[in-house]
Amino acid sequence: DAGVIQSPRHEVTEMGQEVTLRCKPISGHNSLFWYRQTMMRGLELLIYFNNNVPIDDSGMPEDRFSAKMPNASFSTLKIQPSEPRDSAVYFCASTRLAGGEQYFGPGTRLTVT
Amino acid sequence: KQEVTQIPAALSVPEGENLVLNCSFTDSAIYNLQWFRQDPGKGLTSLLLIQSSQREQTSGRLNASLDKSSGRSTLYIAASQPGDSATYLCAVSRGYGNNRLAFGKGNQVVVIP
Repeated sequence: DAGVIQSPRHEVTEMGQEVTLRCKPISGHNSLFWYRQTMMRGLELLIYFNNNVPIDDSGMPEDRFSAKMPNASFSTLKIQPSEPRDSAVYFCASTRLAGGEQYFGPGTRLTVT
Repeated sequence: KQEVTQIPAALSVPEGENLVLNCSFTDSAIYNLQWFRQDPGKGLTSLLLIQSSQREQTSGRLNASLDKSSGRSTLYIAASQPGDSATYLCAVSRGYGNNRLAFGKGNQVVVIP
């Protein structure tokens, strides 16, 4: 099993540009999560999906952030327009069962200048 | 709102000593609790998951206990090794069918050879 796959691993962009982060969950997992990690705030849940349907997006900071899951094997997190305060490491995680053990991807380190 | 606290934020121990890491949470109505390990620049690796009905879980040198009524969990690592140096995070889930995890900010551990 390849684990959760994220791309890109590093992204450097200028303020105002659109950023798209990608995630492929573990095959057979039906829940997918997007997290953001910063030194100041720690690890925060942005949004999660069950069976490709967004369930809880209360952690999405503002309208500049959007997430989609068009099928069971792919999800995107988009930031448009990006701002320097969006700089963080973004993690994707998946789980097979509701409330089950979560498996994390390696993360995307985003730097917005 | 569930608050998860891990104190101290950082600690160092000599190799061979047992490690004791504490996690406390404010709302005892949890579904499960998960301990993760994070190496610098990497994603999170799940170590142990304890269901709310369980008192402890063991895996090799790792043992995690859960006292739901007092809102506490402890992770024990026996005979620590330099390879155990990492940040350890505790996370609790809100309830059955609700996959949202609330994370502590972690204990950064250094095992001194």
